[in-house]
Amino acid sequence: DTEVTQTPKHLVMGMTNKKSLKCEQHMGHRAMYWYKQKAKKPPELMFVYSYEKLSINESVPSRFSPECPNSSLLNLHLHALQPEDSALYLCASSQGAGSSEAFFGQGTRLTVV
Amino acid sequence: QKEVEQNSGPLSVPEGAIASLNCTYSDRGSQSFFWYRQYSGKSPELIMSIYSNGDKEDGRFTAQLNKASQYVSLLIRDSQPSDSATYLCAVRPGGGNKLTFGTGTQLKVEL
Repeated sequence: DTEVTQTPKHLVMGMTNKKSLKCEQHMGHRAMYWYKQKAKKPPELMFVYSYEKLSINESVPSRFSPECPNSSLLNLHLHALQPEDSALYLCASSQGAGSSEAFFGQGTRLTVV
Repeated sequence: QKEVEQNSGPLSVPEGAIASLNCTYSDRGSQSFFWYRQYSGKSPELIMSIYSNGDKEDGRFTAQLNKASQYVSLLIRDSQPSDSATYLCAVRPGGGNKLTFGTGTQLKVEL
């Protein structure tokens, strides 16, 4: 089973709203990732959690706040977003660091109005 | 120089032909290499991983790695219209969590 589940699939939010994206995996993976993907562009790394600790933050604006409550869950809290933040947000997980393969969830299509 | 580079395409091949997709990377310390397929509006799907120099075959797919030349390629034999998608090359440095993607190559398999 290589399933990573993301909710919601679609989200429309205003610039003053607060919302959260959720990601869950039950593969025992210890690394989890958030990527942002704009149309016709590759996925762009935002955050990496390794063993529930934030290990990489790619200089993401503070209006994006990640959280890893436990080894199976990863959240991305959104606040005061801009229309240019509209994108496909992808969660992925891997066994750990180093050589392990990363598997993606189906993504959340976010539209900021 | 970009960390991972691919020709954006589109690469058009006739049905039944071999499609050849290429990727170069800049970090000589990279240890792990992956090919993902992404259909329009969908998330990336892992199709191949390769860690050692040489070829690795899985069904109609063959990944090739040459660390000395810093390139990795993907061959798709007997291409089918359902193979039409964007193929993303991803590279992971040795011992690190970061997974960096190339810009992707759009493949079109024509009837």
